[in-house]
Order: sequence, then C-alpha cells, then structure tokens
Amino acid sequence: DAKTTQPPSMDCAEGRAANLPCNHSTISGNEYVYWYRQIHSQGPQYIIHGLKNNETNEMASLIITEDRKSSTLILPHATLRDTAVYYCIAYAGNNRKLIWGLGTSLAVNP
Amino acid sequence: DTGVSQDPRHKITKRGQNVTFRCDPISEHNRLYWYRQTLGQGPEFLTYFQNEAQLEKSRLLSDRFSAERPKGSFSTLEIQRTEQGDSAMYLCASSLIAGGTDTQYFGPGTRLTVL
Repeated sequence: DAKTTQPPSMDCAEGRAANLPCNHSTISGNEYVYWYRQIHSQGPQYIIHGLKNNETNEMASLIITEDRKSSTLILPHATLRDTAVYYCIAYAGNNRKLIWGLGTSLAVNP
Repeated sequence: DTGVSQDPRHKITKRGQNVTFRCDPISEHNRLYWYRQTLGQGPEFLTYFQNEAQLEKSRLLSDRFSAERPKGSFSTLEIQRTEQGDSAMYLCASSLIAGGTDTQYFGPGTRLTVL
C-alpha cells in the first residue's frame, strides 16, 4: 500500500481557504486518493476521493498533480466546525483496508 | 438517519470480562470493516467481511477477538478476557464495491475502557 505523508498540523483563519497537502509518491495506478476527517471522539467522516482528475463536492475540492505524486484538499471557506484531523489515504478496493497515517490536525481560528 | 450505527457508544468493563459490540451497516452495503483506534493514532484495520464471509483478519486480532456477520447484515465484535491494552475506540465501516473502488463510511464508534 502506498504511504502518504502529511504535515502534522496547520492553522487557518475562519472564512479563508484551507489547503491541506499530501504526498503519495509511490501510489499505484489503481489506487485512489481518499480524504477523511475526524472530529474529536467521533468516527471518521468521508470527504472526497479521486483517481486522476480534480474533484469537487459540497464539502471540498481535491487537486491531484498530473504525476499523481501529491494532492491538495481545499476547504474553500473554513469554519470553526472544520477543526479536525484530516487523513489522506491511497486506497484501491482490492486492498480491502484503509491504511491510516497520523493525518494533519487543522485548527480553524476565529 | 441511514448511516452506520454502533452500539453501545461507550463501554466500561473490568479486566477479564467479555464484551460484545454491534454494528449495523448502511442497508445495501455488502462490505463491513472493523478498525481499532487508540489515542493519538489513526485507525488500525482489524477485519473485513464481504457479505457473510470473513475474508481478512489482521494479526492485531488475537484469539481473544472474534467477529461475525451471520446473515450478511449486522456484525458483532466480541472480546473475551479483556485486558487493559484493549482500551480503545472500535470503529465499524461499511461500503458497496462499485467500479474500481469502494468508499467506506464509518459509524460513531464504541469507546471501550478496561479497568
């Protein structure tokens, strides 16, 4: 399974865009880039995933570099409720399990 | 709410007791996963079912742990003779395999404290 690396912590001002980077230089061709977040003491929440193309949904945008070695999760207008640990995971359905790192702890400040 | 549900949300037990947790997946999902998460760490995979078949178990799952999904719907995770090191959040997720991947959706977790 591909290993992903993320900065341990980031800060963002409320109302500004939060850009969370992730490196996955050994990602396989069939592995998707998944993002989850976990608010304290809750179960992880799915955010978005992508394979090659950039993706957008109601929660966030995912930008994947052309060589697929890195990606950025963008929360366009961060709110205090976006304070959480964000996990980037390289995953293909045939792997059958998500391999989690330590994630990025995002603090959104008023 | 039609998400993944887990019961109980919290469990406090004494060392040596047996505990059982239940997970109800999203109704049409055919895959069900169990993970364990300790403080400050990401979740760790324990086991996975496709329908009622248990297809993979982690080495973390000692012989004191057993999981079942008898009719391919809800699942139970039992820990026998609990130890203090079993204290953790136990997470359940479900998914529907479609195309090249399956997106796992998580329940709220069961927090186990072993005294």
